[in-house]
Amino acid sequence: GAGVSQSPSNKVTEKGKDVELRCDPISGHTALYWYRQSLGQGLEFLIYFQGNSAPDKSGLPSDRFSAERTGGSVSTLTIQRTQQEDSAVYLCASSPSITRGGVTQYFGPGTRLLVL
Amino acid sequence: GIQVEQSPPDLILQEGANSTLRCNFSDSVNNLQWFHQNPWGQLINLFYIPSGTKQNGRLSATTVATERYSLLYISSSQTTDSGVYFCAAWFYGGSQGNLIFGKGTKLSVKP
Repeated sequence: GAGVSQSPSNKVTEKGKDVELRCDPISGHTALYWYRQSLGQGLEFLIYFQGNSAPDKSGLPSDRFSAERTGGSVSTLTIQRTQQEDSAVYLCASSPSITRGGVTQYFGPGTRLLVL
Repeated sequence: GIQVEQSPPDLILQEGANSTLRCNFSDSVNNLQWFHQNPWGQLINLFYIPSGTKQNGRLSATTVATERYSLLYISSSQTTDSGVYFCAAWFYGGSQGNLIFGKGTKLSVKP
């Protein structure tokens, strides 16, 4: 596609419910990243995928968070038993690859999650 | 871990003024990027700049990796420049990479 897309754009849920956030990277991009931006804060790195593999999951805030990527394309970030502190904008980015020198990441519009 | 600090946290400018935003990082990094987040939340890449100077229109950036800082210059600012400017340092260790963001500089350009 033309850019990184994310869905839903907004999500309101009740505390304790599970939510699933989706990211469609730019076609051909092998690397995919998830970030979280809380209100008025910078971006917090959560996890990245090289292909379908996530080498390091230590950035995920708790074991309620999980992410997967299938077919080297679409990724899903799942939050189980949501808490109010999970309210944030969840941003996805993709890049052609990951190299030692770093690459330009292209960001999606984000999913705004509000947990009541 | 690596710390990325930006200054100033907030900046108000009159349209047409120039400004310099600073980003300091605490350790050697593999690269540095500048982003602009517009008022609608969209993050746009501005510069991918491991060292040296790059220019793009009214914006330019300089990174001095040996001294662990980067500067973003905005000349003849316009109201459309408003938003938050983030710098992010790319750190690659072992077999994985991580992009660490500063807390941003919130810029407001008044007409």
